[in-house]
Amino acid sequence: NAGVTQTPKFQVLKTGQSMTLQCAQDMNHEYMSWYRQDPGMGLRLIHYSVGAGITDQGEVPNGYNVSRSTTEDFPLRLLSAAPSQTSVYFCASRKGTGGYEQYFGPGTRLTVT
Amino acid sequence: KQEVTQIPAALSVPEGENLVLNCSFTDSAIYNLQWFRQDPGKGLTSLLLIQSSQREQTSGRLNASLDKSSGRSTLYIAASQPGDSATYLCAVKNAGNMLTFGGGTRLMVKP
Repeated sequence: NAGVTQTPKFQVLKTGQSMTLQCAQDMNHEYMSWYRQDPGMGLRLIHYSVGAGITDQGEVPNGYNVSRSTTEDFPLRLLSAAPSQTSVYFCASRKGTGGYEQYFGPGTRLTVT
Repeated sequence: KQEVTQIPAALSVPEGENLVLNCSFTDSAIYNLQWFRQDPGKGLTSLLLIQSSQREQTSGRLNASLDKSSGRSTLYIAASQPGDSATYLCAVKNAGNMLTFGGGTRLMVKP
């Protein structure tokens, strides 16, 4: 199993540009989520999905969109990038919404200038 | 709202020492607690998962304990090695779908 994969590893955007961060998992996990990690702020939940076709907002959803058309994929879209979205983004998955172990991808380091 | 605190924020020890990392949380109604390791520039690697009904979990030189009533967990690392140098994060899951993370302890093990 590849586990949780993310692309790209690094990205530089100009303010106002849009882009999609890709996330895929091959463990048939129902639950997937996106976090951002910022110095001094820890990891914060952006959006999550409990299954294909179902998404919901986390702690810091503004400026981001998600969709879940398949069990495997959970892309994160930045609609109009802002410098405040400069961060490291992690995708995670777990088997379900209960007390399961959570697995993380390697991260995407995004810089918005 | 759940709050998770990890103390100390940074720790430097000589190789071979046994050490304890601390994690405290404010809401004891948790489903589970998970310890992660993060190397610089990398993702999070799961180390141990403790369900709310469990008191401890062990994996190799690592032992994690959970005391729900006092809102505390500890990660014990035996016979530390330079390869253990990393940031260690704890995260708790309450009802709902969110994990709440602590700020991490940055560990340096010196040869």
